[in-house]
Amino acid sequence: AQSVAQPEDQVNVAEGNPLTVKCTYSVSGNPYLFWYVQYPNRGLQFLLKYITGDNLVKGSYGFEAEFNKSQTSFHLKKPSALVSDSALYFCAVRDMRLGSGNTGKLIFGQGTTLQVKP
Amino acid sequence: KAGVTQTPRYLIKTRGQQVTLSCSPISGHRSVSWYQQTPGQGLQFLFEYFSETQRNKGNFPGRFSGRQFSNSRSEMNVSTLELGDSALYLCASSLGEGRYNEQFFGPGTRLTVL
Repeated sequence: AQSVAQPEDQVNVAEGNPLTVKCTYSVSGNPYLFWYVQYPNRGLQFLLKYITGDNLVKGSYGFEAEFNKSQTSFHLKKPSALVSDSALYFCAVRDMRLGSGNTGKLIFGQGTTLQVKP
Repeated sequence: KAGVTQTPRYLIKTRGQQVTLSCSPISGHRSVSWYQQTPGQGLQFLFEYFSETQRNKGNFPGRFSGRQFSNSRSEMNVSTLELGDSALYLCASSLGEGRYNEQFFGPGTRLTVL
């Protein structure tokens, strides 16, 4: 089955410290992975994606993610956290099940709340 | 370029009623997907449209339906509303069909069923 797991409901970090939001996935075939962020009362904003190529993907707002095939992980990272990074973060994988066709359907993790304290 | 717009932003309905939500994709985007977001179930896929054709459908009852128009705008309809349909409904658009394109989300429609 295709699935995404975000093992931490909440991550707390002090402003200026590095942050990591964890994501592991289970897919058949090559994974197409995405990170989104959601601020209160807003929709999801695209941060970055991994399709193929370099395992370190750089995205918006200084975020990056490291794809690790052997650990089936795609952790989101930022070298120096800002208070304004506090939000709900979602990892997602494209549905690649046989018969799903050339579809854009995303399967999301449960989300991780990032709290950055001044 | 304007982002994905959804109307209305907030809706309050009672059980048994029906509701129609609207989504206008980013100009030039031809693919539209809908998701339901609830605290208990998280983000769940409803359906996806491309060039007025439904390409994929999630595991929701037949009370949930949608369509896409020739200008790529999309609507979703929920009939015979139940309390459990209270959720944030998110629309997302992407440039083309397929697996490589990121989706851009609208602000959502918050539906409350009383």
